[in-house]
Amino acid sequence: DSGVTQTPKHLITATGQRVTLRCSPRSGDLSVYWYQQSLDQGLQFLIQYYNGEERAKGNILERFSAQQFPDLHSELNLSSLELGDSALYFCASSVGLTQGKESYGYTFGSGTRLTVV
Amino acid sequence: ELKVEQNPLFLSMQEGKNYTIYCNYSTTSDRLYWYRQDPGKSLESLFVLLSNGAVKQEGRLMASLDTKARLSTLHITAAVHDLSATYFCAVLLNSGYALNFGKGTSLLVTP
Repeated sequence: DSGVTQTPKHLITATGQRVTLRCSPRSGDLSVYWYQQSLDQGLQFLIQYYNGEERAKGNILERFSAQQFPDLHSELNLSSLELGDSALYFCASSVGLTQGKESYGYTFGSGTRLTVV
Repeated sequence: ELKVEQNPLFLSMQEGKNYTIYCNYSTTSDRLYWYRQDPGKSLESLFVLLSNGAVKQEGRLMASLDTKARLSTLHITAAVHDLSATYFCAVLLNSGYALNFGKGTSLLVTP
């Protein structure tokens, strides 16, 4: 157990629907990162939150949004789902804003496998 | 735009052999990370390299970083089947926040 908890582990939904993925960071970590992993695109950075505030955006679609709550858990909302959104979505956490000052990398959760049918 | 390229992308090697995976990146950075991923599983942190010339070793794996060449290597010594997995390198821009991953090297170690 890495300490980063993601729920649900699996999700099957229809095109056009909306889903919410949840992530609880490791205790003491203030930053949460969301990544999408697919066979053709690899691991793509979506968005980062630090202590409740959005800090960095990557290749996140407008149909996707996220937030980090006061208790530091984060949710990734995916709407108007398309077949191409099927992927493994990872959440990762870290102590600070950047990794350079730390002696370890991000800690990843076990992921949510989203299947859009 | 930061590009992170790994090669090879697929590697089949016999047990007992040595091999090196290469990770090249396109923009200045002195922070590089290696991760391992087993099929359908999460990413496990292997090494964090934070300066030019950094070398770290764990068991049969050794990672190094040459920031001038923008190159990191992951060397496998006397491979065993348990090392079969996908290995990712990831780079953090000096001015950035998020790790940028390579496409991964899928390693299969056969008897």
